[in-house]
Amino acid sequence: GAGVSQTPSNKVTEKGKYVELRCDPISGHTALYWYRQSLGQGPEFLIYFQGTGAADDSGLPNDRFFAVRPEGSVSTLKIQRTERGDSAVYLCASSPGYYNEQFFGPGTRLTVL
Amino acid sequence: QKEVEQNSGPLSVPEGAIASLNCTYSDRVSQSFFWYRQYSGKSPELIMSIYSNGDKEDGRFTAQLNKASQYVSLLIRDSQPSDSATYLCAVNSPEQVANNLFFGTGTRLTVIP
Repeated sequence: GAGVSQTPSNKVTEKGKYVELRCDPISGHTALYWYRQSLGQGPEFLIYFQGTGAADDSGLPNDRFFAVRPEGSVSTLKIQRTERGDSAVYLCASSPGYYNEQFFGPGTRLTVL
Repeated sequence: QKEVEQNSGPLSVPEGAIASLNCTYSDRVSQSFFWYRQYSGKSPELIMSIYSNGDKEDGRFTAQLNKASQYVSLLIRDSQPSDSATYLCAVNSPEQVANNLFFGTGTRLTVIP
């Protein structure tokens, strides 16, 4: 079956601009996670959705970052007033349940100039 | 601060040999342990999960878990050049609402033909 999909695959923006990154999880997966991976590092947790609500946003670095999942499926990660330090690969993962394995999408490489 | 430690490598083994990858973690209450393979420029791919002490085998891969020592390892038998990748160890965080994963920085494996 189809895996997790993310769009765009690459996003180049200028400092101060607003960006949206989209994630479409595996069909039927209720749990959705956003992670961020910098070069040479493992992914770092940003936010978790169970259904439509953001159940845990403790990993978001500051209030410029926000994410939604209005219908319990597709999620959008939104970054306002982007900074060069936001440059990284943003990964989305979905899971069939709370204690289950997480499957990653291909990621969106964000570059802030 | 939860920590997942891996030897960053690079680890080089000849084709056909056994590759041994090691990981230690700091959180004693972690219950779920995962190994992800990440090719250069790609997203992490789940290859093994283990939840109980002992060994778990899947094809050429064997995961080993020792909760008392807070140690998890991955053995790759009959290593192939296609196994050359970075291997990420991930541990869950049951105290967090998200039960998200904490990752090590990965071990880069090179299998020499």
